[in-house]
Amino acid sequence: AQSVTQPDIHITVSEGASLELRCNYSYGATPYLFWYVQSPGQGLQLLLKYFSGDTLVQGIKGFEAEFKRSQSSFNLRKPSVHWSDAAEYFCAVTNTGGFKTIFGAGTRLFVKA
Amino acid sequence: DTAVSQTPKYLVTQMGNDKSIKCEQNLGHDTMYWYKQDSKKFLKIMFSYNNKELIINETVPNRFSPKSPDKAHLNLHINSLELGDSAVYFCATTANTGELFFGEGSRLTVL
Repeated sequence: AQSVTQPDIHITVSEGASLELRCNYSYGATPYLFWYVQSPGQGLQLLLKYFSGDTLVQGIKGFEAEFKRSQSSFNLRKPSVHWSDAAEYFCAVTNTGGFKTIFGAGTRLFVKA
Repeated sequence: DTAVSQTPKYLVTQMGNDKSIKCEQNLGHDTMYWYKQDSKKFLKIMFSYNNKELIINETVPNRFSPKSPDKAHLNLHINSLELGDSAVYFCATTANTGELFFGEGSRLTVL
């Protein structure tokens, strides 16, 4: 069965500092992997996705993520965090049929001045 | 035009009542979903429809009944509301690439 683990419930970083949000998944085959961001009171917005090919994927807002099959991980990174990045971040995995997406529990990012 | 729109955005009601949430998408996607987000922000898939046919039902109580009159609409009707139904309900669509497009959510509060 698919599952997604985000080990950090919340993370606080200083504005301008680098960020890494962790995500581990469990899936029998090569999954489709995603990161979404949710601002307060809003729906989720796609940051980036991995289907196949280059294991380092670039997304919107300066985010990137690296797929590591050996570690079953898909960690999200940003070299310099802005105050507007404060939000909830969700890692997700979709089966290769594309119909069922399972989300991690989310990581809340706080940015301090 | 909003790609995925849900109404109402807020819903406050008493236990035991019946309520509906509507969802419409203008992306032309075949697959639509309902997700429930609880107070701890955990997102759980409830239902999925593909071209008006139910393809996923994640052991949701029978009090929840989705209806898809056409592939652009997926409504959620909830009977006999309980306190535990309080949550934010998100409608979403996909073009079967796995990428989900979400509505802004409907916050349901059951008193």
